[in-house]
Amino acid sequence: NAGVMQNPRHLVRRRGQEARLRCSPMKGHSHVYWYRQLPEEGLKFMVYLQKENIIDESGMPKERFSAEFPKEGPSILRIQQVVRGDSAAYFCASIRGAMNTEAFFGQGTRLTVV
Amino acid sequence: GNSVTQMEGPVTLSEEAFLTINCTYTATGYPSLFWYVQYPGEGLQLLLKATKADDKGSNKGFEATYRKETTSFHLEKGSVQVSDSAVYFCALSDQGAQKLVFGQGTRLTINP
Repeated sequence: NAGVMQNPRHLVRRRGQEARLRCSPMKGHSHVYWYRQLPEEGLKFMVYLQKENIIDESGMPKERFSAEFPKEGPSILRIQQVVRGDSAAYFCASIRGAMNTEAFFGQGTRLTVV
Repeated sequence: GNSVTQMEGPVTLSEEAFLTINCTYTATGYPSLFWYVQYPGEGLQLLLKATKADDKGSNKGFEATYRKETTSFHLEKGSVQVSDSAVYFCALSDQGAQKLVFGQGTRLTINP
């Protein structure tokens, strides 16, 4: 039973390029969360998605960031025109349904902008 | 809004010492409470949880009790091991918004 799969594990981008981070939830899970972790800090909520629907994007920066979770395929977090301040670890978590159940986290994508 | 405040780190202990990591929360309603652990280079793993007042979550020798009167969920372990070295995150589930709200994390180092 594969867990939450994120790829790539490490991503290096030059300033101004685009970064695409992928997350495949656990089998049977239809809800996905994205969190950002800056060095030596906690996790900050970014966005909550169900398949084909954004439920809560209150943590997403207004510009350059977008997320989707299509009917087929992984969830994608897209960062356009990256800047050095976007360097962080991005974690995806999936749950089957209601929030009282366990959220399963992927191993994260560590984005470095040079 | 809802928030979680954790004990400042880092925390360094000797093996077999007693561990407490404090966690307090602010929330409307009745959130569920969680402790997650993050080992170096890894994602977060659920350590334990409690879904209502006075519930005690426990796992791998760790315990935490949901105290509504003090809005706390302190993590304890009677005898820590070197393998417990990690970052520990307290979190609550924001039922209304359906998302996990995390504390800032506490880095724990256990020396042999």
